[in-house]
Amino acid sequence: QVQLVESGGGVVQPGRSLRLSCAASGFTFSSYAMHWVRQAPGKGLEWVAVISYDGSNKYYADSVKGRFTISRDNSKNTLYLQMNSLRPEDTAVYYCARGPVLGSGCYLYCYFDLWGRGTLVTVSS
Amino acid sequence: QSVLTQPPSVSAAPGQKVTISCSGSSSNIGNNYVSWYQQLPGTAPKVLIYDNNKRPSGIPDRFSGSKSGTSATLGITGLQTGDEADYYCGTWDSSLNAVVFGGGAKLTVL
Repeated sequence: QVQLVESGGGVVQPGRSLRLSCAASGFTFSSYAMHWVRQAPGKGLEWVAVISYDGSNKYYADSVKGRFTISRDNSKNTLYLQMNSLRPEDTAVYYCARGPVLGSGCYLYCYFDLWGRGTLVTVSS
Repeated sequence: QSVLTQPPSVSAAPGQKVTISCSGSSSNIGNNYVSWYQQLPGTAPKVLIYDNNKRPSGIPDRFSGSKSGTSATLGITGLQTGDEADYYCGTWDSSLNAVVFGGGAKLTVL
């Protein structure tokens, strides 16, 4: 079954760290660019970060640059988001989303064709 | 403030047609493909339109997309109550090296 399953969310105090995981199954994970997208309660979608199929290229939204790190382990079919120095405004549902496949003509993004169900991160004292 | 501009809400009667606009610039819509996502309440987004005007398998032809210059439009015909959702446009911004979304348009089927 082709799917993405996020985990690692929870309640964390401001300034602390959290690591999210996204387990991929049913497709060749190592051939796809992968993204994190978040959605604050009652708000719209906000893109967070992207990593290329082989991990060689990464880009971040300005709002998380220097605090969040995206990574992947292709041997484990897993995407990660390390979140440091968390702020209340980072409170959101975090989705992992699949980008383009290697050789499709797109490199990091054309569209998201597969999304996980999301994991909720709440930053509060 | 979102990089792409959408109307916050649109509405129409069942069976009617509605369009949702998405306005950007040359660094995003003007030079990259646009995609559209539907988010039903409490669920993850789902792609409706990709590469400006293509529909994934399983998406009915009631949904259509177009692009002209730095703007894009999603059209929905034969509106059904099940179409009530939030709709987002998205694309790559070559100046920001980032995916950018519109603020989302809430569709109400009256």
